[in-house]
Amino acid sequence: QKEVEQNSGPLSVPEGAIASLNCTYSDRGSQSFFWYRQYSGKSPELIMSIYSNGDKEDGRFTAQLNKASQYVSLLIRDSQPSDSATYLCAVNTNAGKSTFGDGTTLTVKP
Amino acid sequence: DTAVSQTPKYLVTQMGNDKSIKCEQNLGHDTMYWYKQDSKKFLKIMFSYNNKELIINETVPNRFSPKSPDKAHLNLHINSLELGDSAVYFCASSQVSGGPIYEQYFGPGTRLTVT
Repeated sequence: QKEVEQNSGPLSVPEGAIASLNCTYSDRGSQSFFWYRQYSGKSPELIMSIYSNGDKEDGRFTAQLNKASQYVSLLIRDSQPSDSATYLCAVNTNAGKSTFGDGTTLTVKP
Repeated sequence: DTAVSQTPKYLVTQMGNDKSIKCEQNLGHDTMYWYKQDSKKFLKIMFSYNNKELIINETVPNRFSPKSPDKAHLNLHINSLELGDSAVYFCASSQVSGGPIYEQYFGPGTRLTVT
C-alpha cells in the first residue's frame, strides 16, 4: 500500500462545476496535510494546508480532513480553465518529511 | 525577490560526467530538501537537511551527494551520470522547528538531461 494515494485521474470537469480531488494516507500519526498545484513545466505551488479535522476554506478552495478515515480532499468551486493543472496531495508523516501522492491531473473545459 | 532559487535551470550532459546543482533560499527556513520528479511526474524526496545536518536520506545511489554549507544553501553533486538520472530536480525549503507546519516552498527546478 502506498503511503499517500490519490484519485488516479485524469479528472475533467466543465467550467463552473465543482472539482473534487481525494487523497488517502496510511500513517495514522500524520499531522499536517497539504495540497499543491503544479502547472505543466512549473514547480509545485502550495495552495492549501490543513492540520485539524473539518473544513478549511480559502476563496474557491476548500480542504477537508478526516483523520479517523485517513482521508483528505480538495474541493474547487466554480472551476476555471486556469485551474487545469496537476494537484499533489502531501502528508507530513515524520518530522520534516512530506510524502507526496502521485498527483491528479485536472482539466477544466470551457 | 525569489524565495527559493536553483541554478542551472537546464543541464544537458553526457553519461559518465559529474555535475552539480545549487539551491539557495532567502526565507530564513531551517530545512531544505531535494526532490526528483521523473517523466511520469512522480515527485520523490531524495534528501533533507535541517540546519546543515542530514536528516532524510532516501534510497538514492551514492553517486548523489548533497552538501549544505549553511542553512540557506543546499547543493547536489552527481557523479558518473546515467541515462536514468534524467529528470527535473526540485529544491524546497520549510520551517520545521516551532510546530508541525512543514509547508514547503519549491524552487523553479533544474531539468537534467543525460545523453
